Amino acid sequence: DGGITQSPKYLFRKEGQNVTLSCEQNLNHDAMYWYRQDPGQGLRLIYYSQIVNDFQKGDIAEGYSVSREKKESFPLTVTSAQKNPTAFYLCASSMEGPQYFGPGTRLLVL
Amino acid sequence: RKEVEQDPGPFNVPEGATVAFNCTYSNSASQSFFWYRQDCRKEPKLLMSVYSSGNEDGRFTAQLNRASQYISLLIRDSKLSDSATYLCVVHGSGGSNYKLTFGKGTLLTVNP
Repeated sequence: DGGITQSPKYLFRKEGQNVTLSCEQNLNHDAMYWYRQDPGQGLRLIYYSQIVNDFQKGDIAEGYSVSREKKESFPLTVTSAQKNPTAFYLCASSMEGPQYFGPGTRLLVL
Repeated sequence: RKEVEQDPGPFNVPEGATVAFNCTYSNSASQSFFWYRQDCRKEPKLLMSVYSSGNEDGRFTAQLNRASQYISLLIRDSKLSDSATYLCVVHGSGGSNYKLTFGKGTLLTVNP
């Protein structure tokens, strides 16, 4: 089945720790995105990538990093510099039209 | 003016009611438009695209008014399963062919 997968479903981070969220798609989409959603808030764009080996900062990139070494994969690292990382993280992909989302990862700070 | 603005609701309606959501956008150069629905603690899912001539998909009707920079979604004969947050989404407002801008969403609860 074609789709977008994210793992893990839940992730716990300790103070000062970097954690990496996985996002994989087999839809052959060129573009991939990472969003953050806080309770009662809209989606905010963290990073996006239109092609392999290229990515751009979104509206709230500070404290995050990404890579795009393969078309299918767009991992997001939440670094220790991100002081308020607790949120629902959503990955999406598209081909110049609507975006399709993975099931999300909930990140919690211990 | 916010890039994409929606009435946050909440809307509480009985089963069978007709409900309408409105959305405005600030960038007149925006290229395409969508409605997504998001269930509690789930990812957003594409409900329908919005075309200039207006379009219908079963009980759902979407309309676009480019002159007023206004998008609407009408749900007829509401079902309990329609309870969700509805997100208005605009494509191309940020100068990128790929970037979407999401409204904060309108919460709908359909009551038995």
